[in-house]
Amino acid sequence: EVQLVQSGAEVKKAGESLKISCKGSGYNFAGYWIGWVRQMPGKGLEWMGIIYPGDSDLRVSPSFQGQVSISVDKSINTASLQWTSLKASDTAMYYCATLHHTNGYFEHWGQGTQVTVSS
Amino acid sequence: DIQLTQSPSTLSASIGDRVTVTCRASQTIHSWLAWYQQKPGKAPKLLIYKASTLESGVPSRFSGSGSRTEFTLTISSLEPDDFATYYCQQYTIYPYTFGQGTKLEIK
Repeated sequence: EVQLVQSGAEVKKAGESLKISCKGSGYNFAGYWIGWVRQMPGKGLEWMGIIYPGDSDLRVSPSFQGQVSISVDKSINTASLQWTSLKASDTAMYYCATLHHTNGYFEHWGQGTQVTVSS
Repeated sequence: DIQLTQSPSTLSASIGDRVTVTCRASQTIHSWLAWYQQKPGKAPKLLIYKASTLESGVPSRFSGSGSRTEFTLTISSLEPDDFATYYCQQYTIYPYTFGQGTKLEIK
C-alpha cells in the first residue's frame, strides 16, 4: 500500500527557516515524481512543483520559484520543502503527493502539514 | 500559465439531484485533465483522470467528459458523502494548475 507520511505541524515566526518532509513507503520511491501543493486558509489548491527522486529533476511553478526549495533524498525515501526566511503569507496547509507514473495527476496524497507563521 | 476556470463556485443541491461542474481551460489541454474531491480537513482524493477515466474505487455515479478547453464533472444522483469541494487540474504544460474549486453544498 502506498503511504506518504508528512512531518508534523509547525508554528514559526516570520524570518525563521523551516524544512518539512514527506516520507514515502510501499512503492518504488525513486521511480515516481513527487510534488507539493499549497492550500492557504479557506482557499483552493495551488500546484507548487514536482521532483523526480531518481535524478532530482525538478519542475517548479514560477509563482513559487525563489520562494521555496524542493529537494529529495532517495536514500531515505523522503521529499522536502524548505524555506530560508518565512513570511506570514506562507501560513498554509502543505500537501505532498505522488504523480501517476506516466501522467501528471496526483494519485496518492500525504495527510498534509500545517505551517503557521506569525509576524 | 494555463488558467482553469470552474463554474459555479458554489452549488446548492439536494440528495438525489444530478449535478454538473464545468472546468474551462484558457488554451487546449487535449484530455489531460483530472478531477479531485476534497472534504474539510482532509487531503484531496483523485476521482477522474484523462478527462473521463474513473479512478479505481470511485463510485460510478461520478463521470467526466470533455476535451480541448471545456470539461464537465457530473454526479448522477447525489449522496450525502458527495458534499465536498471539487477541483480540476490540468497536466498538459508546466506549471500544472488547478481550478479555483467548486463547493457543493446541501440545499
